[in-house]
Amino acid sequence: DAGVTQSPTHLIKTRGQQVTLRCSPKSGHDTVSWYQQALGQGPQFIFQYYEEEERQRGNFPDRFSGHQFPNYSSELNVNALLLGDSALYLCASSPGRVATGELFFGEGSRLTVL
Amino acid sequence: TQLLEQSPQFLSIQEGENLTVYCNSSSVFSSLQWYRQEPGEGPVLLVTVVTGGEVKKLKRLTFQFGDARKDSSLHITAAQPGDTGLYLCAVSYGNNRLAFGKGNQVVVIP
Repeated sequence: DAGVTQSPTHLIKTRGQQVTLRCSPKSGHDTVSWYQQALGQGPQFIFQYYEEEERQRGNFPDRFSGHQFPNYSSELNVNALLLGDSALYLCASSPGRVATGELFFGEGSRLTVL
Repeated sequence: TQLLEQSPQFLSIQEGENLTVYCNSSSVFSSLQWYRQEPGEGPVLLVTVVTGGEVKKLKRLTFQFGDARKDSSLHITAAQPGDTGLYLCAVSYGNNRLAFGKGNQVVVIP
């Protein structure tokens, strides 16, 4: 049973560029959430996708956008990258109809913006 | 203002010693979770505490939820190098949206 998978694991971009990160949820899960974890910080909620729509959103600018596909996989897009966007981006999956608070996380995508 | 304050931020101890880390808030929560994150990995759920005063044990790890459901502690007995990691407490806002503390970085030296 595959867990949550993310790609790429590491990437380097320059300021102003755009990036797309990808996530496949754990089998049987239909909800995908994205978190940003800066160095020395806990994860911060970006947004959550359920039934191919953004269901909840944290305090992040519109430069951060996402998408969920019919197979429940998801993408996180960040436009006009800033140095401060350098962080570990975590994808987490959960079953949509059961709010247990238990999330299954992927290993993350480490983004460095130069 | 951080919803969940974790202390100490960093703790280094020798193998075999005991340690306790804390997660505090001024808010009341219906439940609280502890996750552990190892280098290069995503967080992994350790436990969920729900009832005020509840104590849960996971091998050498003991988790307690405060009576008023505002705080929690994690105690590790006879720490092992495998206990090294970032311990994160978290609370749910509903629909599995979590708010995390900054974490307790624990290093166990062999």
